[in-house]
Amino acid sequence: DAGITQSPRYKITETGRQVTLMCHQTWSHSYMFWYRQDLGHGLRLIYYSAAADITDKGEVPDGYVVSRSKTENFPLTLESATRSQTSVYFCASTLDSRYGYTFGSGTRLTVV
Amino acid sequence: GENVEQHPSTLSVQEGDSAVIKCTYSDSASNYFPWYKQELGKRPQLIIDIRSNVGEKKDQRIAVTLNKTAKHFSLHITETQPEDSAVYFCAAYSNSGAGSYQLTFGKGTKLSVIP
Repeated sequence: DAGITQSPRYKITETGRQVTLMCHQTWSHSYMFWYRQDLGHGLRLIYYSAAADITDKGEVPDGYVVSRSKTENFPLTLESATRSQTSVYFCASTLDSRYGYTFGSGTRLTVV
Repeated sequence: GENVEQHPSTLSVQEGDSAVIKCTYSDSASNYFPWYKQELGKRPQLIIDIRSNVGEKKDQRIAVTLNKTAKHFSLHITETQPEDSAVYFCAAYSNSGAGSYQLTFGKGTKLSVIP
């Protein structure tokens, strides 16, 4: 759905660099999530946010930082990228946490 | 926290046959179970879901069943077609402990429908 967009679509960065992945939704959904997808691991939750200025860790938060100053944006920052963070990152949102999520198109990140 | 196991990891069926994917969950308080389909290079998309007060739900060729006592739920696809080829993920809602529920996903099943 066009209502949730991620940028960039593809990113190559070097080990040790800081990189920020953007997520923007136009529905005013309260809940937003960041997942990483790796072969053999499925979708693993990195961080989530229940509202602006409220964030919490998921299953694999180490090495990542999030912020949510506005309801519509939920950027994910890799403070010092490592090769193990090479992955496809999906942002998702939902109005109510008890319902299904809508996912963005994903960002394929390669750390070299 | 919640743990969701999904089987099989790969599944090949002939076009027209049925496909069944099974998932188990650990948290007896989980009450919402969505299924997502992810085509190659695309985002996961919700295809069907079921709540704990319902035992079965159908939508054309797909159906989901839930057994709360045994803590397992299944996706059934009948009359499979080549466009059903994708990775399917099951998920269950778990309570993060802070009053906020989050989805825990299975590791996915790669379904291949052979023409």
